[in-house]
Amino acid sequence: QVQLVQSGAEVKKPGASVKVSCKASGYTFTSYGVSWVRQAPGQGLEWMGWISPYGDNTKYAQNLQDRVTMTTDTSTSTAYMELRGLRSDDTAVYYCTRAHALPHYCNYYQWGQGTLVTVSS
Amino acid sequence: QSALTQPASVSGSPGQSITISCTGTNSDIGGYNYVSWYQQHPGKAPKLMISDVSNRPSGVSNRFSGSKSGNTASLTISGLQAEDEADYYCTSYASSGTLVVFGGGTKLTVL
Repeated sequence: QVQLVQSGAEVKKPGASVKVSCKASGYTFTSYGVSWVRQAPGQGLEWMGWISPYGDNTKYAQNLQDRVTMTTDTSTSTAYMELRGLRSDDTAVYYCTRAHALPHYCNYYQWGQGTLVTVSS
Repeated sequence: QSALTQPASVSGSPGQSITISCTGTNSDIGGYNYVSWYQQHPGKAPKLMISDVSNRPSGVSNRFSGSKSGNTASLTISGLQAEDEADYYCTSYASSGTLVVFGGGTKLTVL
């Protein structure tokens, strides 16, 4: 069955960077894109961006595009999301999702278990 | 402030029907049929309930249905059950600015 397994919780200081991984299994990794969605404590869902199946095309949310980088490693079927210049309001659960090969389809059938990133001095 | 507007909360009794609205603009909901709905229980990852305005993924109860009129999409849940109590989010493709936008979420309470 399709599974997305994310890396574990992180605690970071303001200004630091975090890199979250998302290992996929149960499907052909290069046939689907990956989108990242985050959720601050007690808040709603926020779309962060999308990366194409081979990692050669990315689309980022306007408010994050200067600080976020999404990549993939097709040899290990793993997607990565790096967020730099962390601030306290980046504290959130970060989810990876299996997305369409095209970015405009927002049908996310499978989700990772989520990774809690806490930014605190 | 979210790009798509949803009511903060709705409620209904078991067996009743409820509708959650999601209002956007001509640049998102009104311009494209790329609207999805997600259900999220506390502490869990979201679950896709409706895709492309009105399609139900395999395994989703036919008590859930989606529609769209102009710049507003709607999720209707009929025959409310206790297990439907959750947060619901709409999302849409957007042609300007950020590519995909979410609504602020609606908390459904089953009385």
